[in-house]
Amino acid sequence: DAGVTQSPTHLIKTRGQQVTLRCSPKSGHDTVSWYQQALGQGPQFIFQYYEEEERQRGNFPDRFSGHQFPNYSSELNVNALLLGDSALYLCASSLWGGQGSSDTQYFGPGTRLTVL
Amino acid sequence: RKEVEQDPGPFNVPEGATVAFNCTYSNSASQSFFWYRQDCRKEPKLLMSVYSSGNEDGRFTAQLNRASQYISLLIRDSKLSDSATYLCAVNAGTGGSYIPTFGRGTSLIVHP
Repeated sequence: DAGVTQSPTHLIKTRGQQVTLRCSPKSGHDTVSWYQQALGQGPQFIFQYYEEEERQRGNFPDRFSGHQFPNYSSELNVNALLLGDSALYLCASSLWGGQGSSDTQYFGPGTRLTVL
Repeated sequence: RKEVEQDPGPFNVPEGATVAFNCTYSNSASQSFFWYRQDCRKEPKLLMSVYSSGNEDGRFTAQLNRASQYISLLIRDSKLSDSATYLCAVNAGTGGSYIPTFGRGTSLIVHP
């Protein structure tokens, strides 16, 4: 049973550049959520995708955008990178729906982005 | 007031000790609750889900107090390998969309 995968594992960019991060959800899952985790903080919700549509969005600027593909994989794009965008970017997968195990989120290993 | 609050610690305990963490939440409509364990520079891994009053798994016990809006995690007989950051997460979604809000985590250091 394949877990959540993310690529790349590490990335170094300079201010003003653009970056694309990728995620494949756990087998059987259809919903992908993206989080930003700064050092010493908990994960902060960026947005969630289901059926190739953004379903919910956290308090992040429009520089952060995403996409979900028909195979449920997803991309996170960040434009005009700032030094403050340096963080661990986590993808989590889950099942869309109601109570119980379907709302449990499983995380990928993350992509560590450093902006210089 | 933050939506989900945790004491960042660190909690520094000897092997074999019992340690408890609390997590308070502000949204009374919250429906499900989780504890995740996160090792340094790794992803959070689900430790326990808490859907009713509590849950027990070996040395770990999670309890939910809806009236006071907090959940707790109790670790008995601490092991060196329990050293990690413990994140509390609270779901209060609508429809099919459940977005957990995370606390900043509580750091646990178990020493010999």
